[in-house]
Amino acid sequence: GEDVEQSLFLSVREGDSSVINCTYTDSSSTYLYWYKQEPGAGLQLLTYIFSNMDMKQDQRLTVLLNKKDKHLSLRIADTQTGDSAIYFCAETSGYSSASKIIFGSGTRLSIRP
Amino acid sequence: DTGVSQDPRHKITKRGQNVTFRCDPISEHNRLYWYRQTLGQGPEFLTYFQNEAQLEKSRLLSDRFSAERPKGSFSTLEIQRTEQGDSAMYLCASSLVGWSRGSMNTEAFFGQGTRLTVV
Repeated sequence: GEDVEQSLFLSVREGDSSVINCTYTDSSSTYLYWYKQEPGAGLQLLTYIFSNMDMKQDQRLTVLLNKKDKHLSLRIADTQTGDSAIYFCAETSGYSSASKIIFGSGTRLSIRP
Repeated sequence: DTGVSQDPRHKITKRGQNVTFRCDPISEHNRLYWYRQTLGQGPEFLTYFQNEAQLEKSRLLSDRFSAERPKGSFSTLEIQRTEQGDSAMYLCASSLVGWSRGSMNTEAFFGQGTRLTVV
């Protein structure tokens, strides 16, 4: 069955880069996502990557995908206090019609001054 | 506001009562999902619809849970004979699934959720 795993916590110093890692089991994953959830707020899609890509960059965000190892990472450059949140890795499979989206348990990112 | 709307935002109910939640997706979105989230966990998939058809329901989901999307627009999630373990945030999301400009348009937009507390 499908499973998505993430480490629970990450603490970084303000201004440093944050790297959040995720592994998944579904070999038919087609889209992989990173969602952000701030306290009391809904889930917000940050970025996504198609499974035939290795890397995607969007401003301070860099997504790396190693399909062979089923490993996905999110790098946030120049981490700011506003980046404090829970980050969820998620995946879906299917090409012509996406199936359900499976989420990991989330990584809580905290920023040290 | 053209986002995903959920009603109510909060619900407190006594154990054994039935509850119903409503989700209004973004207009013209053909895909609608229901998830449940408890503290410290990621969203757990419950079910999803493509237009009015319920395509999949989680095998872990009790028969006390039922969802409908009768006209392919809004959806309702009903929980019968609620139990304390049903206490959670219930999230709805919608997306427009279909090929457009070379991509599958799978971005799912989430509502703010309905927080259920069973006492």
